[in-house]
Amino acid sequence: KAGVTQTPRYLIKTRGQQVTLSCSPISGHRSVSWYQQTPGQGLQFLFEYFSETQRNKGNFPGRFSGRQFSNSRSEMNVSTLELGDSALYLCASSLEDSQTYEQYFGPGTRLTVT
Amino acid sequence: GQSLEQPSEVTAVEGAIVQINCTYQTSGFYGLSWYQQHDGGAPTFLSYNALDGLEETGRFSSFLSRSDSYGYLLLQELQMKDSASYFCAVNGDYKLSFGAGTTVTVRA
Repeated sequence: KAGVTQTPRYLIKTRGQQVTLSCSPISGHRSVSWYQQTPGQGLQFLFEYFSETQRNKGNFPGRFSGRQFSNSRSEMNVSTLELGDSALYLCASSLEDSQTYEQYFGPGTRLTVT
Repeated sequence: GQSLEQPSEVTAVEGAIVQINCTYQTSGFYGLSWYQQHDGGAPTFLSYNALDGLEETGRFSSFLSRSDSYGYLLLQELQMKDSASYFCAVNGDYKLSFGAGTTVTVRA
């Protein structure tokens, strides 16, 4: 079974631009979560989706948004990019309930904002 | 909110045993998970404890005490490939809340 895939793997953007990252979960997984990883802040939760519904959102500004499609694929968008948004963005999927099932992480998208 | 505390670094020799402790304060607790992350890689799931006690998976074991808000990951028969970062994470509120991670360095 294929793992979680994320595209693109690397991205370089300029301040003020916007970016859309994509995540395809493991087949059959209905929960998709997004995390930001930086050396200073570690792994920080962004949001979680289940059956196209956002069930929780982390403490990030409104510039960060996401959505999930009917096939469980998910996208996250960051508008008006700032230098501090440079990070590894990780997507994770789980079978049903992200609270009680293990989460499988994708390889991440490395975003660099210049 | 959630807060988790774990040591920042641990160094040990091949074949040794390492214990990584994790204490947490949280609202909304379903269980405690452990993830391993090698440099440049994605976190990979190691173990999950929902109930008190010890869970054993090969060379790795994990323990949870809900009353003490405490858990640990035990790495036995350390191998060079175990050099990585290890994160404890609380499952709850439809998310994982991660500790800052423990860097384990295994020396020959």
